[in-house]
Amino acid sequence: SQQGEEDPQALSIQEGENATMNCSYKTSINNLQWYRQNSGRGLVHLILIRSNEREKHSGRLRVTLDTSKKSSSLLITASRAADTASYFCATDTSGNTPLVFGKGTRLSVIA
Amino acid sequence: DARVTQTPRHKVTEMGQEVTMRCQPILGHNTVFWYRQTMMQGLELLAYFRNRAPLDDSGMPKDRFSAEMPDATLATLKIQPSEPRDSAVYFCASGIGGEKTQYFGPGTRLLVL
Repeated sequence: SQQGEEDPQALSIQEGENATMNCSYKTSINNLQWYRQNSGRGLVHLILIRSNEREKHSGRLRVTLDTSKKSSSLLITASRAADTASYFCATDTSGNTPLVFGKGTRLSVIA
Repeated sequence: DARVTQTPRHKVTEMGQEVTMRCQPILGHNTVFWYRQTMMQGLELLAYFRNRAPLDDSGMPKDRFSAEMPDATLATLKIQPSEPRDSAVYFCASGIGGEKTQYFGPGTRLLVL
């Protein structure tokens, strides 16, 4: 069953604008990770936020986590055409279970 | 820099043929995953290994798919016989450590005619 669900499914913005993607999940987590997938490529790990963290930054990326709402958001500031990709959240629940990936948000940044 | 490699990158075959996909995980990584990605189903976990032992292959059609790790540097995914519905991109990923971050290969794009 799907643990993480991204919203929206697709997003189209102009270069320079900010892009916000959301992820909701169902069960308690150890951490939540965001990945990017460029067309025709494998997924690339972007950032990890632990369950006891509320916000994390990496360059133009800002991730927030609200465990009470079981949701996370990924903000890409000052977007570039090169940010065009699909973005996936993945949740780490417990024990030996592997990450569970959502279906992704397709981001298009128009130059 | 260290990367997961997959071969072949592209494969076109006819229905009924055997397909073998190979993956070399990042040296030192102890967990290996096989995924299948399609537009309709998204990213599906087929099987994964830790320290070369299969932990879960419940996502894999057992009658035609098999996954093995002959050694720590090679993981294989076989489909026999292949069917048109197996057409997809197959990804291998490897990882290590408690936070379960995964490193993906470039994928094998399979087309079964």
